[in-house]
Amino acid sequence: EPEVTQTPSHQVTQMGQEVILRCVPISNHLYFYWYRQILGQKVEFLVSFYNNEISEKSEIFDDQFSVERPDGSNFTLKIRSTKLEDSAMYFCASTNSGGGYTFGSGTRLTVV
Amino acid sequence: GNSVTQMEGPVTLSEEAFLTINCTYTATGYPSLFWYVQYPGEGLQLLLKATKADDKGSNKGFEATYRKETTSFHLEKGSVQVSDSAVYFCALSDRVNTGFQKLVFGTGTRLLVSP
Repeated sequence: EPEVTQTPSHQVTQMGQEVILRCVPISNHLYFYWYRQILGQKVEFLVSFYNNEISEKSEIFDDQFSVERPDGSNFTLKIRSTKLEDSAMYFCASTNSGGGYTFGSGTRLTVV
Repeated sequence: GNSVTQMEGPVTLSEEAFLTINCTYTATGYPSLFWYVQYPGEGLQLLLKATKADDKGSNKGFEATYRKETTSFHLEKGSVQVSDSAVYFCALSDRVNTGFQKLVFGTGTRLLVSP
């Protein structure tokens, strides 16, 4: 069964550093998403991406965040200057039109 | 805006007990409803879904019925196993257009099943 692949599985970074979280969505999917889950809390929508542009973003997704599809397979989330409160599990997902979500297994980001 | 409310956890049961995890939603239009499961240290896996009123989603012995009149999508299983211990998330799809779907999640309910 096709999978969404996320790397790394765990990243530790110092406050103020830039991080890039990487995702390889399912190859024939057209819509890409990032969600995050702060430890013990609900899963929250960050951003959706279609046709090489952002479709919608939440209020969490401020100027410190950006997404990119640099080639035909990767989908990245960049946090420009990490804060302690960015520590969370970040999930990438992809869908096709009308289809269900496939989530990756997540990247646990720890900001120290 | 759209929202999902699910019962607080943890839910602690003995093996073979009956499980109910309550979920209610608030939405405009006709969202699709989902249950996702997160096993320890893993990502989100779709457990079951229902796309219209009175639909019943089922998988691995779990089932949930889309009740429009009570805006509910309660998860049930007749006989839980230790391996069912996980966090269960109720969610709805907030379809913005024909392709893009934004999921709105509940807070999750942790299920602990003891032998």
